[in-house]
Amino acid sequence: DTEVTQTPKHLVMGMTNKKSLKCEQHMGHRAMYWYKQKAKKPPELMFVYSYEKLSINESVPSRFSPECPNSSLLNLHLHALQPEDSALYLCASSQTRTSYYEQYFGPGTRLTVT
Amino acid sequence: GEDVEQSLFLSVREGDSSVINCTYTDSSSTYLYWYKQEPGAGLQLLTYIFSNMDMKQDQRLTVLLNKKDKHLSLRIADTQTGDSAIYFCAESIRTYGQNFVFGPGTRLSVLP
Repeated sequence: DTEVTQTPKHLVMGMTNKKSLKCEQHMGHRAMYWYKQKAKKPPELMFVYSYEKLSINESVPSRFSPECPNSSLLNLHLHALQPEDSALYLCASSQTRTSYYEQYFGPGTRLTVT
Repeated sequence: GEDVEQSLFLSVREGDSSVINCTYTDSSSTYLYWYKQEPGAGLQLLTYIFSNMDMKQDQRLTVLLNKKDKHLSLRIADTQTGDSAIYFCAESIRTYGQNFVFGPGTRLSVLP
């Protein structure tokens, strides 16, 4: 099973809402990543978790709050977002932080902020 | 600095070979990658090459790396309509370990 799953597939939220994106993998990977991808642009790294601990935060605004409750799950909690936060949010995982060269991506959650 | 460049569009006829090119600037790159993204989908890792290699072949895919010129290419033999997608070149930077830098992506259109 080389699959990373993400839910929901699509999400529309208002600027005052609180919502969460979920990512799951059962490959035994211990590094997990969140990326943001705007239309017609490459993905941009947001966060990296290694062994359930946050190891990289690429200066992401605090309205995005990641959480890694266990080695298989990665959440991204959203609060007070802006319309410019509308994008495809991609989750990825790799065996460990040092075997980053084999990153498996999920299908993404397409987020629209109204 | 980190910069990865690709041409934005490529059109080929079905059955022909496609060659997608990429240039990068960081000489400390450890791995270079090709990802495929179909509309509305996530990224699929096609192949990657370690920076001390110059060629890697995997079925219809051939990756060539010219480290001196910092040039990477992906050749798709016998291109099919299912190959239509955006192809991202990416490099990972030694200093960060897992800091990926993606190129802007090349949109490949395969014409029947």
